[in-house]
Amino acid sequence: AQSVSQHNHHVILSEAASLELGCNYSYGGTVNLFWYVQYPGQHLQLLLKYFSGDPLVKGIKGFEAEFIKSKFSFNLRKPSVQWSDTAEYFCAVNAENYGQNFVFGPGTRLSVLP
Amino acid sequence: EAGVAQSPRYKIIEKRQSVAFWCNPISGHATLYWYQQILGQGPKLLIQFQNNGVVDDSQLPKDRFSAERLKGVDSTLKIQPAKLEDSAVYLCASTPGQGIYNEQFFGPGTRLTVL
Repeated sequence: AQSVSQHNHHVILSEAASLELGCNYSYGGTVNLFWYVQYPGQHLQLLLKYFSGDPLVKGIKGFEAEFIKSKFSFNLRKPSVQWSDTAEYFCAVNAENYGQNFVFGPGTRLSVLP
Repeated sequence: EAGVAQSPRYKIIEKRQSVAFWCNPISGHATLYWYQQILGQGPKLLIQFQNNGVVDDSQLPKDRFSAERLKGVDSTLKIQPAKLEDSAVYLCASTPGQGIYNEQFFGPGTRLTVL
């Protein structure tokens, strides 16, 4: 069965620290990869996505993610976090062999201390 | 542009009761999704509509859950009868066209508590 794992349940950082959130998935073949963010009290929204091409993808608010096919990973990074990055982050995968179904990871809660 | 609307925002019911949720997608969006998000987990797709047709309902517990999108615009999701394990946030999302290349726009969700 398809599955998406996220390494950390809760990450606590101080402002200006660097961030890396892990995401791994468990199927082969062609995949499409997404990171979504949910700020407190707000809707889920798309941070960035990867379909093909350059495996280093840049998203909104200074976030980027790198697709490493050999490691089945799509880790999210930001060089310097801000208090406003406090949110829940979800990795999602669509495997083209599985049609249009998105599978979301369990999420990582990021708390940034001012 | 108005976002995806959902109602109610919160609902508390007792087990074995029935409940219905409503979603109005962004105007012109052909594809509509219902997700279930249990506390501590990521959203799980329940059903996907393309206009008024079902594209994927493989994860919908059809013995108690039903959904419709009769005119290809707004949609309702029903649970009858509810169980304790149905306590979750029910999210609606829409995209302008078919296929995963379109960004999904999410509504605020309906938080269901089953006592």
